[in-house]
Amino acid sequence: ETGVTQSPTHLIKTRGQQVTLRCSSQSGHNTVSWYQQALGQGPQFIFQYYREEENGRGNFPPRFSGLQFPNYSSELNVNALELDDSALYLCASSFPGQGQETQYFGPGTRLLVL
Amino acid sequence: QQPVQSPQAVILREGEDAVINCSSSKALYSVHWYRQKHGEAPVFLMILLKGGEQKGHDKISASFNEKKQQSSLYLTASQLSYSGTYFCGDTNFGNEKLTFGTGTRLTIIP
Repeated sequence: ETGVTQSPTHLIKTRGQQVTLRCSSQSGHNTVSWYQQALGQGPQFIFQYYREEENGRGNFPPRFSGLQFPNYSSELNVNALELDDSALYLCASSFPGQGQETQYFGPGTRLLVL
Repeated sequence: QQPVQSPQAVILREGEDAVINCSSSKALYSVHWYRQKHGEAPVFLMILLKGGEQKGHDKISASFNEKKQQSSLYLTASQLSYSGTYFCGDTNFGNEKLTFGTGTRLTIIP
């Protein structure tokens, strides 16, 4: 148990729809990172939020957006869903330390786009 | 570019040792190791910082060669619970983005 929670655990959507995934960080952590993990692959960095500001973004289109709230929980929003968006979405919380920090992962949200 | 891990997959009998290698194409600041079991989230194993650090706990240890931009994970006297996919992840200084490697699937059989 890492203390990082995500909701929902599973989700089925159709192409073109929009989805919001939620993440509650571990107590004391002010940084949340989001990752997409396709079947059989490693997690791919989507973006990171630090104190409610985006702090780095991976190679994902603008239809992937996020928010971080004052309590450091976070949302990942994906618009205009495509079939390739089907994946496990992981969030990880950490306390920044110049690359030294450990990222603790939540259980993930499995998204299926039909 | 993501780090390249080798081997891609390995099958061991319980009690045997394994080495998983991770090579990066960029200057590294830190290397992180995670284990992920099927259908579960990655679980943190250890983090190594530049400077040729070595770390270990229980029967799992790792080394980090900054000059070669490589890290290795050592599993000794493997247990059934060690089965899973192992990922290394690297970061650059001042960039908190964690780039995961290609993964190594480890299967331990009785």
